[in-house]
Amino acid sequence: DAGVIQSPRHEVTEMGQEVTLRCKPISGHDYLFWYRQTMMRGLELLIYFNNNVPIDDSGMPEDRFSAKMPNASFSTLKIQPSEPRDSAVYFCASTQGYGYTFGSGTRLTVV
Amino acid sequence: QQPVQSPQAVILREGEDAVINCSSSKALYSVHWYRQKHGEAPVFLMILLKGGEQKGHDKISASFNEKKQQSSLYLTASQLSYSGTYFCGTLYSGAGSYQLTFGKGTKLSVIP
Repeated sequence: DAGVIQSPRHEVTEMGQEVTLRCKPISGHDYLFWYRQTMMRGLELLIYFNNNVPIDDSGMPEDRFSAKMPNASFSTLKIQPSEPRDSAVYFCASTQGYGYTFGSGTRLTVV
Repeated sequence: QQPVQSPQAVILREGEDAVINCSSSKALYSVHWYRQKHGEAPVFLMILLKGGEQKGHDKISASFNEKKQQSSLYLTASQLSYSGTYFCGTLYSGAGSYQLTFGKGTKLSVIP
């Protein structure tokens, strides 16, 4: 298995632009998580899905953030409009009920 | 509530031992341990379920004290490859979900 695949690896965008992060979980994993990592706050859970259904989005900071999982092999996290304080590493992780497997992350820089 | 990890950082010489602690104020169902190297993704090490079990992974082992709501990660005879940031992730009893809450991490540096 290729593991959890995230794209892009790096994204630099201007404030106000829309940003879309992508994730392909491991086949057969029925949980998918989006985390954000910063030096100040560590790993924060944004939202998670079970069998493609959003279960808890209480960690999504604002309405500017949205996430979808249209099928078992694809999820997106969208920020519109982006702000400099959104700069962070965004990780997607999947599991079938044991340990999480994380993707390589997307380093987002909003200037 | 985020679990509390201690220490925040530790420096070891090769061959020395270290203990990393993870404490929670809420009843725990399970504790996960992950290691993250600089610029990489966190990697799963082990999971401990309530029941006070202890697990091992090479020379890295962990314990889970359900009564004290804490877990400890033991690294023995440390190697250079053990360097990285160690995170505990906690799953709370009765949460009805599988979302982990991570501590802020313990940075471990092993030097020759």
